[in-house]
Amino acid sequence: EAGVAQSPRYKIIEKRQSVAFWCNPISGHATLYWYQQILGQGPKLLIQFQNNGVVDDSQLPKDRFSAERLKGVDSTLKIQPAKLEDSAVYLCASRLTTGGNTGELFFGEGSRLTVL
Amino acid sequence: GDSVTQMEGPVTLSEEAFLTINCTYTATGYPSLFWYVQYPGEGLQLLLKATKADDKGSNKGFEATYRKETTSFHLEKGSVQVSDSAVYFCALSDMTGANSKLTFGKGITLSVRP
Repeated sequence: EAGVAQSPRYKIIEKRQSVAFWCNPISGHATLYWYQQILGQGPKLLIQFQNNGVVDDSQLPKDRFSAERLKGVDSTLKIQPAKLEDSAVYLCASRLTTGGNTGELFFGEGSRLTVL
Repeated sequence: GDSVTQMEGPVTLSEEAFLTINCTYTATGYPSLFWYVQYPGEGLQLLLKATKADDKGSNKGFEATYRKETTSFHLEKGSVQVSDSAVYFCALSDMTGANSKLTFGKGITLSVRP
């Protein structure tokens, strides 16, 4: 079974430029998450989708970050304009939606962003 | 809100040493608890989980017991190997169904010397 795919793996940009990250979840996984992992910290949830609808985007900096999952499969996270503090690894994860809270999240390898 | 607190790191051990990594949590409901591991150059992967009080999760020689009375989920291994060198994250999930999400601790880096 193919895992969660993310691209690009690495991106270096200058501040005020824009960047986009792509994620393809495991086939059949209705729930998709984007997490931000700053060096030395644990992953922080940015946005959660259920199919093509947003479940939680309370921690997404909406003035510069946007995300979509138009067809309920793959997803794109965009940052525009980028700031120095956006340097982080952006993790995509997916999960089979179940009735409980025990379902495992499967993570991609992440996209490492460096803002200069 | 929900939170997870992990002991400060990094941790460096010799091969075959005993490992304990402390984790405590704060949650409003009845969370499930997880340990995720991130090996160098790889993505996060589930190591073990426990879904209710007194449950013990185990995998690859690692164990953790869900202690509701102390709100803890400490990770242990009796004899670590060099291949266990990685970053370990404690996490909880306190919502059900489509709202379920993970809240992570800061992570701790484990280095095992031969």
